[in-house]
Amino acid sequence: EAGVTQFPSHSVIEKGQTVTLRCDPISGHDNLYWYRRVMGKEIKFLLHFVKESKQDESGMPNNRFLAERTGGTYSTLKVQPAELEDSGVYFCASRLGTGDTEAFFGQGTRLTVV
Amino acid sequence: DQQVKQNSPSLSVQEGRISILNCDYTNSMFDYFLWYKKYPAEGPTFLISISSIKDKNEDGRFTVFLNKSAKHLSLHIVPSQPGDSAVYFCAASPGNQFYFGTGTSLTVIP
Repeated sequence: EAGVTQFPSHSVIEKGQTVTLRCDPISGHDNLYWYRRVMGKEIKFLLHFVKESKQDESGMPNNRFLAERTGGTYSTLKVQPAELEDSGVYFCASRLGTGDTEAFFGQGTRLTVV
Repeated sequence: DQQVKQNSPSLSVQEGRISILNCDYTNSMFDYFLWYKKYPAEGPTFLISISSIKDKNEDGRFTVFLNKSAKHLSLHIVPSQPGDSAVYFCAASPGNQFYFGTGTSLTVIP
């Protein structure tokens, strides 16, 4: 069974440009999460989808970030326009249910804004 | 405001000895706790978890202890092996999302 996959694995863009990250969750997992880790800091929550609906987007830093999950399958996270402080590793995770179940993470997308 | 804290950024342990990684949390609504292990350039992988109704959960060489009154969680690895060298993240959940600590980098010396 395929795990959570993320594309691209690395992205280097200039300040002001747009970047779109993609996440394919484990098949059948209704819950999809986006997290970000800035160098040396905690893995910080961005948002949570249940199927195609945004359950919680309280962690989204500002309106330059837009997440979608059309059809409740894969998800995209767009940053437009990118700023230097957006650099970090963006992780996607999926989970079968909530409560006492673990989340499975993708390998992450390392975003560098120069 | 961090709700999950790992105050030791790094830990070195001799192979065969016990590794103890610690984690503190502040939110009493957390009822499920997990440890994840992360190698460089990879995503975190689930290691072990514990529900708030328990105080101990064991899986092979890994044991997680939960002290709810102290809001403290620990991971014991016995015996430690060089392949255990990685960054370990503590996570806590009130049911929907996870809150993570900053991680502890464990080095097991052969």
